[in-house]
Amino acid sequence: KQEVTQIPAALSVPEGENLVLNCSFTDSAIYNLQWFRQDPGKGLTSLLLIQSSQREQTSGRLNASLDKSSGRSTLYIAASQPGDSATYLCAVRPSGSEKLVFGKGTKLTVNP
Amino acid sequence: SAVISQKPSRDICQRGTSLTIQCQVDSQVTMMFWYRQQPGQSLTLIATANQGSEATYESGFVIDKFPISRPNLTFSTLTVSNMSPEDSSIYLCSVEVGAAADTQYFGPGTRLTVL
Repeated sequence: KQEVTQIPAALSVPEGENLVLNCSFTDSAIYNLQWFRQDPGKGLTSLLLIQSSQREQTSGRLNASLDKSSGRSTLYIAASQPGDSATYLCAVRPSGSEKLVFGKGTKLTVNP
Repeated sequence: SAVISQKPSRDICQRGTSLTIQCQVDSQVTMMFWYRQQPGQSLTLIATANQGSEATYESGFVIDKFPISRPNLTFSTLTVSNMSPEDSSIYLCSVEVGAAADTQYFGPGTRLTVL
């Protein structure tokens, strides 16, 4: 059974700092991995999608990496801003499945 | 991408009643998914809904408790039946889009509180 773990559960940083969020998964047989952002009381916003054959994806100040063999992904946020404050969720899509398996998320607070 | 709307955005309900949540997508999609996010927990898939067929439920979820309709390629409903306080959650629908139908997009969610 695929399990996804995100560390840390919460993170507070000053504005401008670069930071890394971690995601690990127990079964390397994945189709892809997706990072989402969730604002309080809101739905999920897709940030980055990494296919199983890819090593990383970049969008603006965000960079996500994938090491499938070790079951790890990281989300790197450069020059953090208060507007980046949200919960970041990592989700994997197991091979042969359409469903996503989510971690519990990392709650990020960027202080001005 | 896809634009997804849900109704209602939030509701407070009494124990024993039922609530139907609507999900509308701005494009035709084959598969729609319903997730639950209990307080402090991650998202858990309830069921997958394909147009024209019965929904497929995940372990721990049953049709009598969470009946789903999928009348066309842009719309679905999830009913939470005979509610108890343990059903208090955010319920989200999602769809798969993209050239390989591999990116999931989520609606804004329905925040349900059961008293």
